[in-house]
Amino acid sequence: ETGVTQTPRHLVMGMTNKKSLKCEQHLGHNAMYWYKQSAKKPLELMFVYNFKEQTENNSVPSRFSPECPNSSHLFLHLHTLQPEDSALYLCASSQARDRYEQYFGPGTRLTVT
Amino acid sequence: GDSVTQMEGPVTLSEEAFLTINCTYTATGYPSLFWYVQYPGEGLQLLLKATKADDKGSNKGFEATYRKETTSFHLEKGSVQVSDSAVYFCALLLLYSGGSNYKLTFGKGTLLTVNP
Repeated sequence: ETGVTQTPRHLVMGMTNKKSLKCEQHLGHNAMYWYKQSAKKPLELMFVYNFKEQTENNSVPSRFSPECPNSSHLFLHLHTLQPEDSALYLCASSQARDRYEQYFGPGTRLTVT
Repeated sequence: GDSVTQMEGPVTLSEEAFLTINCTYTATGYPSLFWYVQYPGEGLQLLLKATKADDKGSNKGFEATYRKETTSFHLEKGSVQVSDSAVYFCALLLLYSGGSNYKLTFGKGTLLTVNP
């Protein structure tokens, strides 16, 4: 595998379910990011991890819980989501010193029913 | 606050046509500017960048010039191909606290479809 991979690519879940999104980067980067991409809205940065430490949380509701066990893996744990949380969730990685040059995964298309 | 405004799509062109996608920004400070591209089913990729006024970024036949006087960073290509069909995002980066903090702000994206 090369670049940034995300699993699953598609996920349908009910509002009472608990699920997790996984991201893995094979680029030797030390910063990882979660973004939310909704139709007709700008890309929204959710969380930033530098060297496994969370450095940014952009007022994301607690029903989204990130986890970064090491610099290559990033998870987003989901529980009691709302229909408006349906979106494409993108993971990205970069070197901490080159934050603009982020490499994105293909995303997980999440539908909350 | 800092923001990026790009032309609403979708944009539909024939192959070999000239492309312009407008992007303007509002920022408190001196941002770096970027264009990202998202091909169908893939994540965003950095297409080109410019870090200071009058810089021109270029890649794969695409160009954009950082115009401070008009706060713009319009994307252009002289002759588009079917393979250029994608969503294009304009973005700005501002550094704070001596570079230890940053904010990367994206526009809403513009869908480009190129027909044979």
